[in-house]
Amino acid sequence: ILNVEQSPQSLHVQEGDSTNFTCSFPSSNFYALHWYRWETAKSPEALFVMTLNGDEKKKGRISATLNTKEGYSYLYIKGSQPEDSATYLCASNSGGGADGLTFGKGTHLIIQP
Amino acid sequence: DAGITQSPRYKITETGRQVTLMCHQTWSHSYMFWYRQDLGHGLRLIYYSAAADITDKGEVPDGYVVSRSKTENFPLTLESATRSQTSVYFCASSSQGTGSGYTFGSGTRLTVV
Repeated sequence: ILNVEQSPQSLHVQEGDSTNFTCSFPSSNFYALHWYRWETAKSPEALFVMTLNGDEKKKGRISATLNTKEGYSYLYIKGSQPEDSATYLCASNSGGGADGLTFGKGTHLIIQP
Repeated sequence: DAGITQSPRYKITETGRQVTLMCHQTWSHSYMFWYRQDLGHGLRLIYYSAAADITDKGEVPDGYVVSRSKTENFPLTLESATRSQTSVYFCASSSQGTGSGYTFGSGTRLTVV
């Protein structure tokens, strides 16, 4: 079973500040790394899918980087807004494209006005 | 409407009863997945399917049965429900397995009494 770890578990950030959090995963047999945003009472929504070492993806104020050799990914949020409050999940798989993702437990982000 | 729908949204059942959770998607995605969400564990993969008539076990398959006779449907059956199966169940689909983002259903909250 793949072990995907996220840190910190929770994070309080002042509105307007930038923040980042980490996802670590086994680097062997790597295929893909996903980031999802999960708001309370909703379903997880895909933010990024990354497959190549050195990948950087951006969506508005949110960006992510990937290091497959050392097995980590960072998610960055620039200029946090209250609507960024959510749980951010990362997920990876142990090899191949067909098997399911293993999810981390998430980073719960609270933006304080 | 296009999308991925789960039914029922809420279900209470008694220990020992058989219960089936439904998942239907309209995109003709090849890949479908069942996850359960529990406090302290995050999302854990129960079963997945790469195509009609192809299913495979995930991390926590015991006590569950799946079938996929049609691409658009992926029902999950609890053969004899136990209290430990009280959870929120999420179905997801993907066009390219872990090579593309998952789209999640709204979830089914199952309580076994």
